[in-house]
Amino acid sequence: EDQVTQSPEALRLQEGESSSLNCSYTVSGLRGLFWYRQDPGKGPEFLFTLYSAGEEKEKERLKATLTKKESFLHITAPKPEDSATYLCAVQEGRDNRLHNAGNMLTFGGGTRLMVKP
Amino acid sequence: DGGITQSPKYLFRKEGQNVTLSCEQNLNHDAMYWYRQDPGQGLRLIYYSQIVNDFQKGDIAEGYSVSREKKESFPLTVTSAQKNPTAFYLCATKRAGMYQPQHFGDGTRLSIL
Repeated sequence: EDQVTQSPEALRLQEGESSSLNCSYTVSGLRGLFWYRQDPGKGPEFLFTLYSAGEEKEKERLKATLTKKESFLHITAPKPEDSATYLCAVQEGRDNRLHNAGNMLTFGGGTRLMVKP
Repeated sequence: DGGITQSPKYLFRKEGQNVTLSCEQNLNHDAMYWYRQDPGQGLRLIYYSQIVNDFQKGDIAEGYSVSREKKESFPLTVTSAQKNPTAFYLCATKRAGMYQPQHFGDGTRLSIL
């Protein structure tokens, strides 16, 4: 069974204190790992897609990396506006010719990040 | 204004009542999805649809029903058979292509009266 585990569940940082969020996964065949940001009462906002081990993507203070077993979301010099829940999701490689079921995502439980000024 | 519109933002259900959550998109995306989010848990897939007039059950479809009569619309009905409906419901859409990300609406929070 595909599993996605995020750690820590919650993370408190001081403004400017860099850190990393972890997303570990076990899937039969990875077809993409996605990072999202979710603010309270809102839907997840897409951040990055990673396709293969060794790949890195950057956006402002965020950098996502991928290995064969896990992904990290590095936050450099965070600001209070970076406070949110960060979700990762994996897309399995299952191929269903009738319904293209390979597009389904399995989500982790999220990491709630709080950045204090 | 392009995007995914979920309505209503808040919904209350009485015992024995069916309620319908709306999801409309003008992104021309082929696939649409419904997820349920409970506090401290990841998103769980209820139903999804890759094309009009076709939809598939996700991991937790019991007590829910959907329809996909138009490309733009994918309403979710929470039936009285769903005994624990209180949750945050999220609709997502996705462009054709395996590596395209899903994009989400801003959700509907459903509570029991």
